[in-house]
Amino acid sequence: GAGVSQSPSNKVTEKGKDVELRCDPISGHTALYWYRQSLGQGLEFLIYFQGNSAPDKSGLPSDRFSAERTGGSVSTLTIQRTQQEDSAVYLCASSYTMSMQGDTQYFGPGTRLTVL
Amino acid sequence: AQKITQTQPGMFVQEKEAVTLDCTYDTSDPSYGLFWYKQPSSGEMIFLIYQGSYDQQNATEGRYSLNFQKARKSANLVISASQLGDSAMYFCAMWNTGNQFYFGTGTSLTVIP
Repeated sequence: GAGVSQSPSNKVTEKGKDVELRCDPISGHTALYWYRQSLGQGLEFLIYFQGNSAPDKSGLPSDRFSAERTGGSVSTLTIQRTQQEDSAVYLCASSYTMSMQGDTQYFGPGTRLTVL
Repeated sequence: AQKITQTQPGMFVQEKEAVTLDCTYDTSDPSYGLFWYKQPSSGEMIFLIYQGSYDQQNATEGRYSLNFQKARKSANLVISASQLGDSAMYFCAMWNTGNQFYFGTGTSLTVIP
């Protein structure tokens, strides 16, 4: 498929465990974005990558969250010592260049994380 | 500070009628981009339309148009000839040179047959 893919689609974990969420952007897209959407809420912007670089990590909710991107392609969002308030749908998007120029962000289907 | 405000949590429109979804934004940055996204009940986010802060004309994409009033800092989405498939959540969003992307809380649109 040519779209953004995310895995797993659903993740249930116990409080205190670490989880890793994966995003595979559209081939050739240099920009990649992570968002969080809590139930019935809008999207909370977490972090973006331009290539492998994430210039601004201030959107990450806490130091338990980290993200990396390697090879200008796949990105992983890691949440350490998960808490119940981390339960949400985590959405990834990619665009050809940075969306400031109006490039469309294409979204993946999301990973639904449930922390028990 | 809230960057994007959508004041209509829910809207109803008759099929084939036009509907306007409100969005106001807050930024002191002269350069920014405004977006609208649609999120059906299936959950995927679908890009609808983009307006750059320096664009002189209102953006249009098929049945979607963006009523951009820069002085008022508003970027309302107009959907003409509503269809049943337009029923969804609609999110207004802004990207500025601070490289932050802000989403509003969304408007739930229901198209009535």
